[in-house]
This record gives sequence, structure tokens and C-alpha cells, in this order.
Amino acid sequence: AIRMTQSPSSFSASTGDRVTITCRASQGISSYLAWYQQKPGKAPKLLIYAASTLQSGVPSRFSGSGSGTDFTLTISCLQSEDFATYYCQQYYSYPPFTFGPGTKVDIK
Amino acid sequence: EVQLVQSGAEVKKPGESLKISCKGSGYSFTSYWIGWVRQMPGKGLEWMGIIYPGDSDTRYSPSFQGQVTISADKSISTAYLQWSSLKASDTAMYYCARLGTPENYFDYWGQGTLVTVSS
Repeated sequence: AIRMTQSPSSFSASTGDRVTITCRASQGISSYLAWYQQKPGKAPKLLIYAASTLQSGVPSRFSGSGSGTDFTLTISCLQSEDFATYYCQQYYSYPPFTFGPGTKVDIK
Repeated sequence: EVQLVQSGAEVKKPGESLKISCKGSGYSFTSYWIGWVRQMPGKGLEWMGIIYPGDSDTRYSPSFQGQVTISADKSISTAYLQWSSLKASDTAMYYCARLGTPENYFDYWGQGTLVTVSS
């Protein structure tokens, strides 16, 4: 199975900051990568698929990049509603379509 | 509007059986894979398996193969996740989610079903 790692596992940031989360796959996955946001007590929400395509309705301050094994999620100007946990997921090879361990973004 | 509505929270004892459900609406239920995702308390997301309601083709993560059964009843647009003998370690939130097409990310999610297994 393909293993996904994320860094950092958690960090604190302030509203207005530019933040970047990194996701790495244990083998090449082309651009078959999605990013999800999960707030406490809520179901995950799809933000980005195909590594860089924004899901309909997601604010343009979110962006994704990368291909192969290394990917990033960037939030250009952090808003209060963006404090959450972010997961990457590969859907190149299954089963399973593995998730990363998550990155928690909290308020500094 | 695409919606996935899951059954309510369950409290069970070890060794009991359980079947939880996920009802889809607002789209062609038989044309999209539905998956199940586990989230243990305070932990991350784990991909359990998927089913294609059109023909009940099912794929499991090796970690969950033999531990759970995924099924679907296309006549009522509902997918299921079931256990024959629950363990305390099955305590978790379980989400159903729809796989997008043609790419296999989860584009819509249910609200989750909390399963608590305790003696």
C-alpha cells in the first residue's frame, strides 16, 4: 500500500498568515491527490482534487500543487474559519486509497 | 442536491452485531461508488472499503477485509456497513462518502455515525 506522510503534524498560525502544508507519497502517484478539511465534530470536506483543482465553492485562497511524490496545500491568507485539520489522500492505487495522518492548524 | 444521510449513533456491547446505513439522494445512486471511512477518537481518517451499488462490486482495504461487510440495496439507495461481532476497538466515528467520477476522491460525505462499543 502507498504510505502518505504530512508535515508538520500541527502548528499555530495567525489570521492573515500564508500557510503551507506538505504531503509526501511513498511512491509516485502522478496527480491523483486530494485535500480535505475537517473541523471538530464535522465530516471532512473536499477542498482540492487532482492535486491542484479547486472543488466548486471552495475559496480561492486555497491552492494545491505538486505531482509525483511531493505535494503542497497553501492557504494564502488564513481566515478564522480555516482553523481545522487538513488531510491529503492518494487515489492512484488501491486498496486502500490512503489518507495522510493530518495536519492540525490552530490559532497562535 | 447530493446528500448522504447516515443512521444515528449506536451503543453496543462487545460481541454484538451491528449494521449502520447511508442513504443517498440527489444523484444516480447506482452510478457512483460509495465508501466507508473510520475515524477513531482523536485520530485520523482510515479508508475501509467501497461498493458500487449498480452491481454490488466491493473492494476492501486489507486492514478491514474480514472485519466488516459492506453492502448496498439499490432499490432504496442505501449502503451499509456491518459487523458480526463488535470489539471495543471498533469504537469510532464512521463516515460514508461518495467517490467522484472519473477520479476517485470523496466528493460528498455523510454526517457520520458514532459507534460506541462498551461493556
